[in-house]
Amino acid sequence: EAGVTQFPSHSVIEKGQTVTLRCDPISGHDNLYWYRRVMGKEIKFLLHFVKESKQDESGMPNNRFLAERTGGTYSTLKVQPAELEDSGVYFCASSLTRGGVRGYTFGSGTRLTVV
Amino acid sequence: AQKVTQAQTEISVVEKEDVTLDCVYETRDTTYYLFWYKQPPSGELVFLIRRNSFDEQNEISGRYSWNFQKSTSSFNFTITASQVVDSAVYFCALSEPPNDYKLSFGAGTTVTVRA
Repeated sequence: EAGVTQFPSHSVIEKGQTVTLRCDPISGHDNLYWYRRVMGKEIKFLLHFVKESKQDESGMPNNRFLAERTGGTYSTLKVQPAELEDSGVYFCASSLTRGGVRGYTFGSGTRLTVV
Repeated sequence: AQKVTQAQTEISVVEKEDVTLDCVYETRDTTYYLFWYKQPPSGELVFLIRRNSFDEQNEISGRYSWNFQKSTSSFNFTITASQVVDSAVYFCALSEPPNDYKLSFGAGTTVTVRA
């Protein structure tokens, strides 16, 4: 089966601009998660979707971040306006069941650089 | 507070040597889940293992083995007879009910295997 696909793989934008990251989960995976790793720090949870519903967005840093999953398929994560501290790698993951009994399948991440 | 500590930032070994990666976790729950992920140079996080807190049996999968010790809150990972392809960043992670879908990652250990 195809894995979790994220694009772009890299994005360099100027402070104040808008960037939209996309994640295509494994087909049939209702659970989708966003994580990010800011330079030199741990990978941190951002939010969790079940189908198109946000179940937990407790990790979203502030209201400049907006995640959507229209139709319960792919998801987008928009950062508007981007700030320097938003630089990092944004990972998406999906799982068939909540709790990931068989683990979570992660994508390769989008490396975002805000200059 | 840091829930997962991977004290080793980088480890460098020569091919065929064994390498052990330490992971110490912190939780007040009696039920919890521990994970190891591998991040090769291609960037994706590859699931290696998921262990629940009630299963203290050590596990072996090929050249990989895991030692789970509740008494010391550790879940260490050993690669036996390392190979160059084992070069990667390895992450240990913890999840706790009721939000067992939310992984708390350690900072990661970079393993370099030299030929």
